[in-house]
Amino acid sequence: DAGVIQSPRHEVTEMGQEVTLRCKPISGHDYLFWYRQTMMRGLELLIYFNNNVPIDDSGMPEDRFSAKMPNASFSTLKIQPSEPRDSAVYFCASSLYLPGREAFFGQGTRLTVV
Amino acid sequence: AQSVTQPDIHITVSEGASLELRCNYSYGATPYLFWYVQSPGQGLQLLLKYFSGDTLVQGIKGFEAEFKRSQSSFNLRKPSVHWSDAAEYFCAVGAPYNNAGNMLTFGGGTRLMVKP
Repeated sequence: DAGVIQSPRHEVTEMGQEVTLRCKPISGHDYLFWYRQTMMRGLELLIYFNNNVPIDDSGMPEDRFSAKMPNASFSTLKIQPSEPRDSAVYFCASSLYLPGREAFFGQGTRLTVV
Repeated sequence: AQSVTQPDIHITVSEGASLELRCNYSYGATPYLFWYVQSPGQGLQLLLKYFSGDTLVQGIKGFEAEFKRSQSSFNLRKPSVHWSDAAEYFCAVGAPYNNAGNMLTFGGGTRLMVKP
């Protein structure tokens, strides 16, 4: 299995631009999670899906952030408009079982907003 | 809701020395417990997990962890550290119930540095 695949690995964009991060979970996994990692706040859960349906988006910082999962093999996290404080590493993870079981992480997307 | 504390932000050990990384959790029952490792520029990789049964669990790369219910701890150990073990280590707790509140909760991480 190829694991969780994220793209791009690095993204540099100017403030105000739209940014779209992509994720392909492990085939057969029912749960998909988006995390953000920063030095100041550590690893934060932004949103998670179960069977393509958003279950909890309470971690999404602002309305500028949105996430979709149109099918079982693809999810996007969009930031519009982006701001410098959005600079972070964004991880996608997937899990086969309950949300409290182990999650498998992608390599992450390092986002820099200048 | 569960929580996880990793008291040590940074730890430095000499290559070949033993290692113990501390993890304390808060949860009303026996949780699922995990240790992940993150090498620079990489995602989080699962080292080991505890669900039930034997309280000493073995993981990859020679790591082990022991669940101590009385201390609400799940410390990670390795008898002899290698330079390639330098990374950040995250302890995580999950609740064994299927409802929206039971996410994996991560500790703040412990950055391990290995001296030659």
